[in-house]
Amino acid sequence: GAGVSQSPSNKVTEKGKDVELRCDPISGHTALYWYRQSLGQGLEFLIYFQGNSAPDKSGLPSDRFSAERTGGSVSTLTIQRTQQEDSAVYLCASSLARTGAHGYTFGSGTRLTVV
Amino acid sequence: AQRVTQPEKLLSVFKGAPVELKCNYSYSGSPELFWYVQYSRQRLQLLLRHISRESIKGFTADLNKGETSFHLKKPFAQEEDSAMYYCALRRSSGDKLTFGTGTRLAVRP
Repeated sequence: GAGVSQSPSNKVTEKGKDVELRCDPISGHTALYWYRQSLGQGLEFLIYFQGNSAPDKSGLPSDRFSAERTGGSVSTLTIQRTQQEDSAVYLCASSLARTGAHGYTFGSGTRLTVV
Repeated sequence: AQRVTQPEKLLSVFKGAPVELKCNYSYSGSPELFWYVQYSRQRLQLLLRHISRESIKGFTADLNKGETSFHLKKPFAQEEDSAMYYCALRRSSGDKLTFGTGTRLAVRP
C-alpha cells in the first residue's frame, strides 16, 4: 500500500475484554515495529519484527500482550483482559530493511480506550 | 540502558524568533540520533538524522558527543513549525528507536 495502515482507528472496550489491533505495513518493508504513545510518556517500544520473527519483544509490558506477523506483511497486536492502564495510542511503523536507514514510516495509530 | 531526555514539554516562541529544542541522551557507545515531528492530525514523520548532516525545513541538529546532546535548531521560526517534536536514539543499525517524551513547539504570530 501507499502507507502504513492501522485498524481500527479508534477502539473503546470494556475492562477485561480482549482486543486485536491490526497493522498493514508498506509493501516490501521487512521490518515492523509496535510502539505505545501515552500522554506525557513519549513513545514506548513494544515489539519488533524482522520478517515473521520477533527478535526483540522486550517492550511488551506483560504476558497479556502478544503480537504476530504473517506472510512477512500484516501484524496483529493482541491485548488480553484489558486494563485501564492499557489506554493509549498504539502506533505501528515499518522500514525497508533491518537498518531502517531512511527512518521509519508510521501509521496513524489506533486509539484504545478501556472503560 | 539508553535514555533520551527532552526537558521541555512546551516551548512557545513568536514567529521569526530563533528556536532550540533540547535533547540529551545517555548511552556509552556511538548512537544514531533522529528528530521526528508530528503535526496536528498527521502521522509521526522523520525530520532529520544526524548522520545525514542535512537541513530540513530550515532545521538543523548537531550531535555533540561531549555533552551527549542533539539539540534541534532553527534561526527563524514559522507558524507552520508548530508541532510535537520527538528526539530518538538508536544504538546501532537494526536496533529499535528509543524516543524522548517530546516537546510541543507553539509558534505565535
